[in-house]
Amino acid sequence: DQQVKQNSPSLSVQEGRISILNCDYTNSMFDYFLWYKKYPAEGPTFLISISSIKDKNEDGRFTVFLNKSAKHLSLHIVPSQPGDSAVYFCAVNAGNNRKLIWGLGTSLAVNP
Amino acid sequence: DAGITQSPRYKITETGRQVTLMCHQTWSHSYMFWYRQDLGHGLRLIYYSAAADITDKGEVPDGYVVSRSKTENFPLTLESATRSQTSVYFCASSESGQGNSPLHFGNGTRLTVT
Repeated sequence: DQQVKQNSPSLSVQEGRISILNCDYTNSMFDYFLWYKKYPAEGPTFLISISSIKDKNEDGRFTVFLNKSAKHLSLHIVPSQPGDSAVYFCAVNAGNNRKLIWGLGTSLAVNP
Repeated sequence: DAGITQSPRYKITETGRQVTLMCHQTWSHSYMFWYRQDLGHGLRLIYYSAAADITDKGEVPDGYVVSRSKTENFPLTLESATRSQTSVYFCASSESGQGNSPLHFGNGTRLTVT
């Protein structure tokens, strides 16, 4: 059973609009959350992270929101650009052993 | 060039053959990891290493062997390749473990076992 779920396999957004990518997790003990971006034929690259002691972290156009009661985090990209078209992975720190659990990814297409 | 490099980028091998995937990083990161990516499974950890001569199993270690004699290298060996090991393999490194600091990934090796 998946402990980290990205329920939308794909998302299409117009350039300049907001992109919202979602991630749900099952275990309230998870304490650190990361987003990675992946272009075709490349490895994932780290985008942004958030600790469970915060509910928001911002870096330029990228903001991650954490709702601990709902066990839900989201990545907002504003404004979206065509270069943001990629697969976005949510990854969760699974506790004391510091292992990461990965979602299956959401493929974002930003249309000009 | 600084970074993490994987070789080869593409490899086709036959069932039963031994194959080694190479990974080299120039940051002197303590931690190195091997992942495989398959449709429907996302990224799954095969093995990781916290330092030279220290390795540990991940989620899917069966059929794989790793070594880390030098900090900068972390080769992954498939001792007797099977079709189920057809996948894209990613090597990664980090300063202090998976959750404490971001992972830096190589560009992957696409392995096909026929």
